[in-house]
Amino acid sequence: GAGVSQSPRYKVTKRGQDVALRCDPISGHVSLYWYRQTLGQGPEFLTYFNYEAQQDKSGLPNDRFSAERPKGSFSTLEIQRTEQGDSAMYLCASSPSFGVGYGYTFGSGTRLTVV
Amino acid sequence: ELKVEQNPLFLSMQEGKNYTIYCNYSTTSDRLYWYRQDPGKSLESLFVLLSNGAVKQEGRLMASLDTKARLSTLHITAAVHDLSATYFCAVGSGGSNYKLTFGKGTLLTVNP
Repeated sequence: GAGVSQSPRYKVTKRGQDVALRCDPISGHVSLYWYRQTLGQGPEFLTYFNYEAQQDKSGLPNDRFSAERPKGSFSTLEIQRTEQGDSAMYLCASSPSFGVGYGYTFGSGTRLTVV
Repeated sequence: ELKVEQNPLFLSMQEGKNYTIYCNYSTTSDRLYWYRQDPGKSLESLFVLLSNGAVKQEGRLMASLDTKARLSTLHITAAVHDLSATYFCAVGSGGSNYKLTFGKGTLLTVNP
């Protein structure tokens, strides 16, 4: 596709449930990034991949959060046993080569609400 | 730890007026990015500033970078309503500058 695609666009889940958020990067983009944005704040880095290798997961808040990119194409961010504090916009971005370079392209995001 | 501070956080302007948004950051970087975000939408890249003294302009917006002062500015000339949005600056770090650290954003409202 033309841009970074994220699904679902909106997700409402009950506390304690597991969720999986999907990101399809721009075709051919090597690097893929996950960020989280809460209301009134700038996005915060979660993790990033070069091809299928997870290069940095230092931004993942705790071990309930995990991400994978099994074939170097789409990626999935999983949150287990969701809590209300996990409610946020989850943004995915991709870039054609390693690093930010001339800037990422962000997807439209998944707005997660935990009730 | 890299910190990025923007000010002001809220800016209400009249159409036709000029104003500047400031972005200070705490550690050395030669990569500074400006993004725009409309309510409920994702981030749109505005400018990429890659060296000291870099200046870029697009329409009524002009961005500059002073790496020695660790300061970037986003200047708005003759504001129009369509510029109403939240503006973020972000600083690159890590190998190949893979990681962006964002400021809190400046919510700009342009009033008729």
